[in-house]
Amino acid sequence: GAVVSQHPSRVICKSGTSVKIECRSLDFQATTMFWYRQFPKQSLMLMATSNEGSKATYEQGVEKDKFLINHASLTLSTLTVTSAHPEDSSFYICSATSFSYNEQFFGPGTRLTVL
Amino acid sequence: GENVEQHPSTLSVQEGDSAVIKCTYSDSASNYFPWYKQELGKRPQLIIDIRSNVGEKKDQRIAVTLNKTAKHFSLHITETQPEDSAVYFCAAKPPEGSARQLTFGSGTQLTVLP
Repeated sequence: GAVVSQHPSRVICKSGTSVKIECRSLDFQATTMFWYRQFPKQSLMLMATSNEGSKATYEQGVEKDKFLINHASLTLSTLTVTSAHPEDSSFYICSATSFSYNEQFFGPGTRLTVL
Repeated sequence: GENVEQHPSTLSVQEGDSAVIKCTYSDSASNYFPWYKQELGKRPQLIIDIRSNVGEKKDQRIAVTLNKTAKHFSLHITETQPEDSAVYFCAAKPPEGSARQLTFGSGTQLTVLP
């Protein structure tokens, strides 16, 4: 299957700072990328869907001003958690797909801890 | 939108026994049903999927069945091994469109006891 990378794999930051997470499709052009959040022992919750070159579509209850998503190219999407707080601590996973695939390919995830 | 329910939330089986996880979905238009295995702290890995034009699919010890009329699908793992222990998620996807998102079930923690 296709390969999706995510960076960083783990980040610890102080409350009030911003954190940027990158998601890259390494061997295919991803027309659509998804960002999920996963709390311990819970399912993957879709935060937003981003199509290359257009604004992200956020799920209900997800603050677009707090979770900034940019999908500037067919191989890169970024999620910026602005003014992070301890309740934002979670496992963030991106996935990517294109019109060539039915499947979504997941990145390895980023463990965010906000102190 | 789509709603996917998954049962049970936890499942313990003896090594060598079979495990069955069941999911139901609400959107009759959904036509793609993947199953993912997620080990602690790692990414979900696709283990098997089924499309709506097929009733059953098997890959070695893993099989998936789909009942479109009842809108439910199941994962069957036979001859379970300790390395099968993980969280399993089912998902459903609507037909092709601009937003090709999956809706996930709540997950099943499978523990295979040696």
